[in-house]
Amino acid sequence: AQSVAQPEDQVNVAEGNPLTVKCTYSVSGNPYLFWYVQYPNRGLQFLLKYITGDNLVKGSYGFEAEFNKSQTSFHLKKPSALVSDSALYFCAVRLADYKLSFGAGTTVTVRA
Amino acid sequence: GEEVAQTPKHLVRGEGQKAKLYCAPIKGHSYVFWYQQVLKNEFKFLISFQNENVFDETGMPKERFSAKCLPNSPCSLEIQATKLEDSAVYFCASSQLGGNEAFFGQGTRLTVV
Repeated sequence: AQSVAQPEDQVNVAEGNPLTVKCTYSVSGNPYLFWYVQYPNRGLQFLLKYITGDNLVKGSYGFEAEFNKSQTSFHLKKPSALVSDSALYFCAVRLADYKLSFGAGTTVTVRA
Repeated sequence: GEEVAQTPKHLVRGEGQKAKLYCAPIKGHSYVFWYQQVLKNEFKFLISFQNENVFDETGMPKERFSAKCLPNSPCSLEIQATKLEDSAVYFCASSQLGGNEAFFGQGTRLTVV
């Protein structure tokens, strides 16, 4: 079955430090991968996607993600985290018929 | 509109009552998806539409759940005879024909008491 996994339930970093949220995938063929962010009591906001092309994808709010085929990973990164980046982050893969399969989510806390 | 609009934001129903949720997709988007977010943040796919046609309903508990996307009307998700386990946040998302990213609404929090 095609899926993504987020191995960390929580990530804690200090403001100004680099932030990494991990995602690995298990997909046959070429994966369509996405990152979304969910703020408390809000919907999911699209951050970025990998479809094809450059392995380094740049997205909203200064986030980027690197697609690594050999490691089957699609980690989300931000060079310098802000307190306002504290939220719940979801990695997702597009399945047949366009529906998304989500990871379990990673709660990011950025302390001042 | 430029964003997916879901109503109501909150809905409380007694067990056994009917619940109806609405979703207006982004104008020009041909695909509409419904997901259920339950405890521990798990997302469960329910159903998708391509315009007014059901595209994929493999996630729908058909005995109590139904959904429609009619022309010139918001899409709807209806739960007949709600159960306690239906308590969740229901998200609607839309995407363009051939597009790859789905845009999500703010969700409807359904509480069954």
